[in-house]
Amino acid sequence: GDSVTQMEGPVTLSEEAFLTINCTYTATGYPSLFWYVQYPGEGLQLLLKATKADDKGSNKGFEATYRKETTSFHLEKGSVQVSDSAVYFCALSPAGGATNKLIFGTGTLLAVQP
Amino acid sequence: NAGVTQTPKFQVLKTGQSMTLQCAQDMNHEYMSWYRQDPGMGLRLIHYSVGAGITDQGEVPNGYNVSRSTTEDFPLRLLSAAPSQTSVYFCASSYKGASTEAFFGQGTRLTVV
Repeated sequence: GDSVTQMEGPVTLSEEAFLTINCTYTATGYPSLFWYVQYPGEGLQLLLKATKADDKGSNKGFEATYRKETTSFHLEKGSVQVSDSAVYFCALSPAGGATNKLIFGTGTLLAVQP
Repeated sequence: NAGVTQTPKFQVLKTGQSMTLQCAQDMNHEYMSWYRQDPGMGLRLIHYSVGAGITDQGEVPNGYNVSRSTTEDFPLRLLSAAPSQTSVYFCASSYKGASTEAFFGQGTRLTVV
């Protein structure tokens, strides 16, 4: 079945460092791909998404590109801030579905130190 | 805007007790779903609904019941709580479509002792 694999955490960075969180997926066809973020004590919220191959999703300085050839959707940010500390989830919604039955990765905790 | 509202935020149950987790959304979304979040496992889909009167099972439905009598509300019932149901539960809603944004509630932390 469809699945999402993302890098284990925690990831600890200093402020202004470059961030990469790896995400790969297994799915038939062309699923929709998402990054959700969970700040401490809150629910998840959408960070960015991409719905077809070579699409780039971007928001708040974060970017991710839908790579069909490598089945990847890695999250990047050029300069992280303390306020970016959160858990980041990669997720997919299967192709052809009428609803977004999301399949999540295990989440990656990011801690940014001043 | 209220968005997705879950109650309660915290709950402790004894093994064998029953309870209902409430979820309400005010965005007129057709699709609603319940997930549980466990360490090292991400979020897993319990049940979902594509509209009033229609529900279906997700990946981990055992021990849970749902109903959808209105567009706004989607309660999750634990019939006989077990320690394995200790988890954080999230309700989500969205418009129909595989690429739509899901909106999540703040979660319910449930402990079964």
